[in-house]
Amino acid sequence: GQSLEQPSEVTAVEGAIVQINCTYQTSGFYGLSWYQQHDGGAPTFLSYNALDGLEETGRFSSFLSRSDSYGYLLLQELQMKDSASYFCAVRAYTGGFKTIFGAGTRLFVKA
Amino acid sequence: GAVVSQHPSRVICKSGTSVKIECRSLDFQATTMFWYRQFPKQSLMLMATSNEGSKATYEQGVEKDKFLINHASLTLSTLTVTSAHPEDSSFYICSARELAGVNTGELFFGEGSRLTVL
Repeated sequence: GQSLEQPSEVTAVEGAIVQINCTYQTSGFYGLSWYQQHDGGAPTFLSYNALDGLEETGRFSSFLSRSDSYGYLLLQELQMKDSASYFCAVRAYTGGFKTIFGAGTRLFVKA
Repeated sequence: GAVVSQHPSRVICKSGTSVKIECRSLDFQATTMFWYRQFPKQSLMLMATSNEGSKATYEQGVEKDKFLINHASLTLSTLTVTSAHPEDSSFYICSARELAGVNTGELFFGEGSRLTVL
């Protein structure tokens, strides 16, 4: 089976940097994704790491260490609109590709 | 990016009735779609993988006779909640992966359907 762990809540101030960690246990691991979801909305894709290392997309970066079964999402220059839930998700192959989500981290950005 | 449309966005029904939710990929073909369920402030729980032209693959613990999935074309998957009960009230979200996204891991999500069973 698959399991993911990430903090339930993080609070930070505008302009700061925040890191959301994710550890996972899975068979058939292919990659780690990150999604953002605002209350009442659908998840939107942020990033995907299939290989070790850092992927940068604007203010957001994502890191993966396959040997440690660990990844993180780094958000820089925080803005109020970044207040949302952030989910790490493993893409795994177990007879077919599927994406399993972590419990989510609620990020609160304060002025 | 690719667009996935889900309908209806909200539905209220009486206990014992059945409700159908549609998920369409508008500008790409999706041989595989995924149905998730989300309770308030909780994670997305994968219910089943919908495969075009074949039977859906259900996750452990999901009743296939209760949640009927049909994927009759490359752009449409439907989820029917049969004999709905109040405990089936939830946010149901479908997603699909564009062929070009196979190696990017990106899932495109519909807007979600909020089901309330009275």
